[in-house]
Amino acid sequence: SAVISQKPSRDICQRGTSLTIQCQVDSQVTMMFWYRQQPGQSLTLIATANQGSEATYESGFVIDKFPISRPNLTFSTLTVSNMSPEDSSIYLCSVKGTESNQPQHFGDGTRLSIL
Amino acid sequence: AQSVAQPEDQVNVAEGNPLTVKCTYSVSGNPYLFWYVQYPNRGLQFLLKYITGDNLVKGSYGFEAEFNKSQTSFHLKKPSALVSDSALYFCAVRPSILTGGGNKLTFGTGTQLKVEL
Repeated sequence: SAVISQKPSRDICQRGTSLTIQCQVDSQVTMMFWYRQQPGQSLTLIATANQGSEATYESGFVIDKFPISRPNLTFSTLTVSNMSPEDSSIYLCSVKGTESNQPQHFGDGTRLSIL
Repeated sequence: AQSVAQPEDQVNVAEGNPLTVKCTYSVSGNPYLFWYVQYPNRGLQFLLKYITGDNLVKGSYGFEAEFNKSQTSFHLKKPSALVSDSALYFCAVRPSILTGGGNKLTFGTGTQLKVEL
């Protein structure tokens, strides 16, 4: 399966600031996703990152808060904007190939704490 | 809407004993089902999947899972647990391509497995 690298692996940020998380894959992938895992909770899909067009956001997530870029088939970024303590979470990038029965594969995540 | 239930927050088992981590699901039509494991400070690692065919699927690290359509369950099992299996386990579902597809995975709330000596 693809090797997925996320940067940074963790960060501590001040409220009101923004942080951009990078996701790099070692091969071209059709689909890239961004998830949030709040402390002690399950994963929630934020958006699907579309190459060359705007991301598709899930209910409850908006582009102004979580802008996403995907300039090519191996790279995507997620920005967490105007952060508050409620944004303290693990943010995970995942990828999937074209065939419908393929699983998603995940990066190690970015552990974000907001003071 | 699709959903996944993992009724146990934590499962404790002695090393060498069999383990079961439970998962039930709800989805329109036929499901694609997945199990993932998360070790501390790591992302999710894919363990196994059910797409179609044999109801018993085998995956990584000696894990297997049994798909039961009538009970809408997909329990994860291992005949002999290891201390190194201690981790957080997630079940996930999405509808099959034949029933509308879509790539949105819905995850359960996770089950912490603790294997003790």
